[in-house]
Amino acid sequence: KAGVTQTPRYLIKTRGQQVTLSCSPISGHRSVSWYQQTPGQGLQFLFEYFSETQRNKGNFPGRFSGRQFSNSRSEMNVSTLELGDSALYLCASSLAMGPGNEKLFFGSGTQLSVL
Amino acid sequence: GESVGLHLPTLSVQEGDNSIINCAYSNSASDYFIWYKQESGKGPQFIIDIRSNMDKRQGQRVTVLLNKTVKHLSLQIAATQPGDSAVYFCAENTGNRKLIWGLGTSLAVNP
Repeated sequence: KAGVTQTPRYLIKTRGQQVTLSCSPISGHRSVSWYQQTPGQGLQFLFEYFSETQRNKGNFPGRFSGRQFSNSRSEMNVSTLELGDSALYLCASSLAMGPGNEKLFFGSGTQLSVL
Repeated sequence: GESVGLHLPTLSVQEGDNSIINCAYSNSASDYFIWYKQESGKGPQFIIDIRSNMDKRQGQRVTVLLNKTVKHLSLQIAATQPGDSAVYFCAENTGNRKLIWGLGTSLAVNP
């Protein structure tokens, strides 16, 4: 069974631009959650989607958004990029219960650099 | 070898020794705890989890201990191998399905 796939693997953008990251969960997994990882802050929860609906969200500004499609694939979008958005963005999938109730399976992440 | 999580973010052990990675969690109401391992260039990988109604849980070469009195979690790795070199994260569920993550402890295994 294929693991969680994130694309692209690396991305370089400039301030003010927007970016879309993609995540394909493990087949059969319906919950997809997104995290931002930086050396100083660790893993910070962005949001979680289940059955195409955002079920939970973290404390990030509205520039960060996401969506989930009927096949459980998910995308996250960051608009008006800032230097501080440079980070590794991780996607995780799980069967149904989501973070905090069952184990998560992570992709390798998208490394975003904002110049 | 033993670490104290945030106070000693790097733990260096000899191959074959046992490793103990510690984590202090924040919320006494947290009911689920989980350990992940992250190797360079990869996403975190599940190691073991434990619910608050348990004090100890064992896996293959790993044991998690939960002390709710002092809000402390530890991960013990038996017979540490070079492949165990990674950053180890603890995370707690405070009840809102978000998981709060520790900053991680780096484990270096010397051959």
